[in-house]
Amino acid sequence: GAVVSQHPSWVICKSGTSVKIECRSLDFQATTMFWYRQFPKQSLMLMATSNEGSKATYEQGVEKDKFLINHASLTLSTLTVTSAHPEDSSFYICSARYGTRDTQYFGPGTRLTVL
Amino acid sequence: AQSVTQLDSHVSVSEGTPVLLRCNYSSSYSPSLFWYVQHPNKGLQLLLKYTSAATLVKGINGFEAEFKKSETSFHLTKPSAHMSDAAEYFCVVSDQGGSQGNLIFGKGTKLSVKP
Repeated sequence: GAVVSQHPSWVICKSGTSVKIECRSLDFQATTMFWYRQFPKQSLMLMATSNEGSKATYEQGVEKDKFLINHASLTLSTLTVTSAHPEDSSFYICSARYGTRDTQYFGPGTRLTVL
Repeated sequence: AQSVTQLDSHVSVSEGTPVLLRCNYSSSYSPSLFWYVQHPNKGLQLLLKYTSAATLVKGINGFEAEFKKSETSFHLTKPSAHMSDAAEYFCVVSDQGGSQGNLIFGKGTKLSVKP
């Protein structure tokens, strides 16, 4: 149980294009989903928190107009990197939490490379 | 504010020998603490968690961790390392008491296992 998937697992795009990453909870309802960014050989940095049906809460320094987050259902959240640039290249990981439990279950991550 | 410090960025052991990954935490109240493992280019997998029940927590794959309030530590141990244990390990604390906190990640410890 508690499986989270991400799609795509990797994506290469040209500078200036937009990329959408999906995060799905496969066997539970995720009331809260989280998006993290991980640079090579570094820890995870929380980008934003989204509750189903509400606007996402972004961490300080994260541009909400650049990283659009939608959490339209209890099993799906999407992160859209708009007008991507090479500095947006990173490993993006989502996680999901259900009910009032404090355990987050992580997706396998999406490797984004912007040329 | 809550924080975690992983005392070693890299630990190298021989297969079959014990593993010790050190973690100290800082928290304003009774913390929830976690250990996650990340294999290369993969998402995070929960090894174990402490949430104010038994101080010795047993996790998956033979790992365990002991919560020591007097030392503000939550070190991860395994009696005998296996080659498949080679990965990055993150000590994590919840940034709020109870169940609704965000996760604060340590910088990670890379575990290498020599044959």
